[in-house]
Amino acid sequence: GEDVEQSLFLSVREGDSSVINCTYTDSSSTYLYWYKQEPGAGLQLLTYIFSNMDMKQDQRLTVLLNKKDKHLSLRIADTQTGDSAIYFCAAYSSASKIIFGSGTRLSIRP
Amino acid sequence: SAVISQKPSRDICQRGTSLTIQCQVDSQVTMMFWYRQQPGQSLTLIATANQGSEATYESGFVIDKFPISRPNLTFSTLTVSNMSPEDSSIYLCSSIPGTSPGSEQFFGPGTRLTVL
Repeated sequence: GEDVEQSLFLSVREGDSSVINCTYTDSSSTYLYWYKQEPGAGLQLLTYIFSNMDMKQDQRLTVLLNKKDKHLSLRIADTQTGDSAIYFCAAYSSASKIIFGSGTRLSIRP
Repeated sequence: SAVISQKPSRDICQRGTSLTIQCQVDSQVTMMFWYRQQPGQSLTLIATANQGSEATYESGFVIDKFPISRPNLTFSTLTVSNMSPEDSSIYLCSSIPGTSPGSEQFFGPGTRLTVL
């Protein structure tokens, strides 16, 4: 079945760019998602990308998709303290369900 | 988009009892799912709630332990049966409102369950 993997932690300096990486195994995944979860809060859908796209930009967020390598990344420009959260990558698999990665905890250094 | 509410928001239960969690969506949706998020962990899909038929369970989850109902296109319940402390988790309902599978998926606020 589908497997989605991410690194567990990322630490960046305030004002720098953050890049969170994700890999998935199901080459037929049609949609790929990024969710944000702040402490004690629910899941917030940040953005998603169709598999026929290479890039999607939305304000400070840029999603890059390398379908050949099954690699997805989320870039947050000008990272702020409010960006501290866990970021989950997820993929819509050919089995009609969405599988989540382990989440990357982003921490911001002053 | 879809707005999803869950009841209860949290509960503390005794070992051996059962709890039913309700999920209400503000519009008709094609697909509804139940996830579990254990402390400090990612989301694990429990099952897909199918309208008018039995839910489709993921490996490691069974109907006797997690019976699910979905009587219509806006409502679903998940029961956690014969609870043990290992069932302490956040349980999340989600839906895909679009008719195109894989489009935006929205989540409810979750039900935080503690089993003593």
